[in-house]
Amino acid sequence: ETGVTQTPRHLVMGMTNKKSLKCEQHLGHNAMYWYKQSAKKPLELMFVYNFKEQTENNSVPSRFSPECPNSSHLFLHLHTLQPEDSALYLCASSQVGVFGLNSPLHFGNGTRLTVT
Amino acid sequence: AQTVTQSQPEMSVQEAETVTLSCTYDTSENNYYLFWYKQPPSRQMILVIRQEAYKQQNATENRFSVNFQKAAKSFSLKISDSQLGDTAMYFCAFMRYGGSQGNLIFGKGTKLSVKP
Repeated sequence: ETGVTQTPRHLVMGMTNKKSLKCEQHLGHNAMYWYKQSAKKPLELMFVYNFKEQTENNSVPSRFSPECPNSSHLFLHLHTLQPEDSALYLCASSQVGVFGLNSPLHFGNGTRLTVT
Repeated sequence: AQTVTQSQPEMSVQEAETVTLSCTYDTSENNYYLFWYKQPPSRQMILVIRQEAYKQQNATENRFSVNFQKAAKSFSLKISDSQLGDTAMYFCAFMRYGGSQGNLIFGKGTKLSVKP
């Protein structure tokens, strides 16, 4: 049982589709993150939300649009994706403390995205 | 910029034996955190062990221990009494102290297979 739940587990979409990835954390954390894991590349941070406010956008193309309605939920809206966007998208959460100290990240099981 | 290098793409070990995974990193920072994460076929990234750079004592968690050599910028993971459930991808990660939350710099990973 993971404290961070991601849906769907798998997603296949065409380049003209619009879809959304969902993440929910049950750990009471105040920060949430989107990571991209591509084959043979290191895990890459995409977005950071701290107390529902986006604090980091790691030069991610605008075809990826995050949304954080509250500290427990995080979405990644996808539109007009490219085949090279096919990857495992991982959500994580953590508790940000004083002086920016972070608890370790807790990850979900990811969404395997295939863009055709 | 920080970088994390895992020089062993794949390793294997017999059940009950000990294996060491290598990790080196490059940084000009003096205070930082280092992590080992495990990613089994379930795809969830699971924290294995964490080390604060200011601590000289090597971190240990049950069968998992690290050899942290700050001057050499080396952070290896030793798994004792290997179990079949240890089969997974292992990622070494770096985070700057007080840095942007969640901005972990990951290595490319080592695929560990534990053989019966």
